[in-house]
Amino acid sequence: SAVISQKPSRDICQRGTSLTIQCQVDSQVTMMFWYRQQPGQSLTLIATANQGSEATYESGFVIDKFPISRPNLTFSTLTVSNMSPEDSSIYLCSGRTEEAFFGQGTRLTVV
Amino acid sequence: DAKTTQPTSMDCAEGRAANLPCNHSTISGNEYVYWYRQIHSQGPQYIIHGLKNNETNEMASLIITEDRKSSTLILPHATLRDTAVYYCIVRVLDYGQNFVFGPGTRLSVLP
Repeated sequence: SAVISQKPSRDICQRGTSLTIQCQVDSQVTMMFWYRQQPGQSLTLIATANQGSEATYESGFVIDKFPISRPNLTFSTLTVSNMSPEDSSIYLCSGRTEEAFFGQGTRLTVV
Repeated sequence: DAKTTQPTSMDCAEGRAANLPCNHSTISGNEYVYWYRQIHSQGPQYIIHGLKNNETNEMASLIITEDRKSSTLILPHATLRDTAVYYCIVRVLDYGQNFVFGPGTRLSVLP
């Protein structure tokens, strides 16, 4: 399966600021997704990153808070905007062929 | 909502087979059974998937009952490095469909 590189791997941010997470896949994939994993919880889908168009967001997630870009078939970014301590989570990028494969995640702490 | 039911946690002695059950009584005819695991602080890792026949790869075996309402993931010789949360997911083979992660089974391999 393809390999996903995600950066930063971790960050500590001040509330009110924004962080952009980058996701690079080593081969072209049709679908890319962003997940959030809150402490002690399972993964929750934030949105589907659509190449060349606006992302498709799941219930409870909005573009103003989590803007996503996907300029090509191998790269996507997720921005966590106007952060609060409740945004402290692991954010995971996923690509998909027949199976899903994941980056190592970005561990975000908002203070 | 997740379509599967798994035990919250299990223990297994190192070197023994780990058998992780999953119930998916509402599975549809075109839905596959996927297994992933997440080792602490890492992104989920694909293990195996199948439709109705038993499957085996270098990591594990997947046994699906004839009525497809349940399955078992078998790690034949568990090691300490197999300690992880194991997720059973059912979905159609459609690149656009989400992988819905339930709480999974926390497997602890004990020395």
